Amino acid sequence: AQSVTQLDSQVPVFEEAPVELRCNYSSSVSVYLFWYVQYPNQGLQLLLKYLSGSTLVKGINGFEAEFNKSQTSFHLRKPSVHISDTAEYFCAVSGSSFQKLVFGTGTRLLVSP
Amino acid sequence: GAGVSQTPSNKVTEKGKYVELRCDPISGHTALYWYRQSLGQGPEFLIYFQGTGAADDSGLPNDRFFAVRPEGSVSTLKIQRTERGDSAVYLCASSLAGKETQYFGPGTRLLVL
Repeated sequence: AQSVTQLDSQVPVFEEAPVELRCNYSSSVSVYLFWYVQYPNQGLQLLLKYLSGSTLVKGINGFEAEFNKSQTSFHLRKPSVHISDTAEYFCAVSGSSFQKLVFGTGTRLLVSP
Repeated sequence: GAGVSQTPSNKVTEKGKYVELRCDPISGHTALYWYRQSLGQGPEFLIYFQGTGAADDSGLPNDRFFAVRPEGSVSTLKIQRTERGDSAVYLCASSLAGKETQYFGPGTRLLVL
C-alpha cells in the first residue's frame, strides 16, 4: 500500500522569503509523485510531477521539487514566495498504472506581507 | 477548452435522504475518478472508471455509495440514506487513458443536517 506524509499542517512565511513544503512517501513499488495546489473555493491544480528521469522537476508558478529515493521524499520549494501563493498544497503518489492518487493531508502555506 | 464541471456546487440535505452528484469530465477523457475530501484532510479515493465500467471501486465506504457512468462520459455519484458523516467535498477528476495527470473539478460541497 502507498501512503504520503506531509509533516507540516501549516507553514507561515513572509513575502519574498524562500519556502520548503515537506513530503515523504511510502511504497513497495515504483511510484509517481505529484504536487497539487488548492486555492480557496477552487479545484485542485497540478503544480508539478515526477515520473522518471531527472530528480529535479520544475513546475508552474516558480515551484520545483526534488525526488529523493533514498529518503523517500519529494519536497516542494520556491525561492521567493508571493502573497498569491497562499493556498493549500497536497502531495500525492500513484502507482505505475496511473489510477488512483493517494494524497497527504495537505500543508497550508500562509504568505504575509 | 472546458474543464471538469460538477453540479451542484453546494448541496444541503437532511439525514436519511438520497442525493446525486454529477460530474462532466473533459471531452475525450476516458478515465474518471471520484474523491472525497473531509474537512482538514486530503482527498480520498472513492472510485475509478475506465470508459463505462468501474475499474476500481475499492474506496467506496459502504453500500450506500454507488456511481455510474452509463455512456462513458458524465458520471453520477449516488448516496442513499445520507448520514452526517457523509458531509464533505466530493471531487471529480478526469484524465486521458493511461496518462498520469488528473484534472480536477471544483467539487460539490455536501452538507448533511
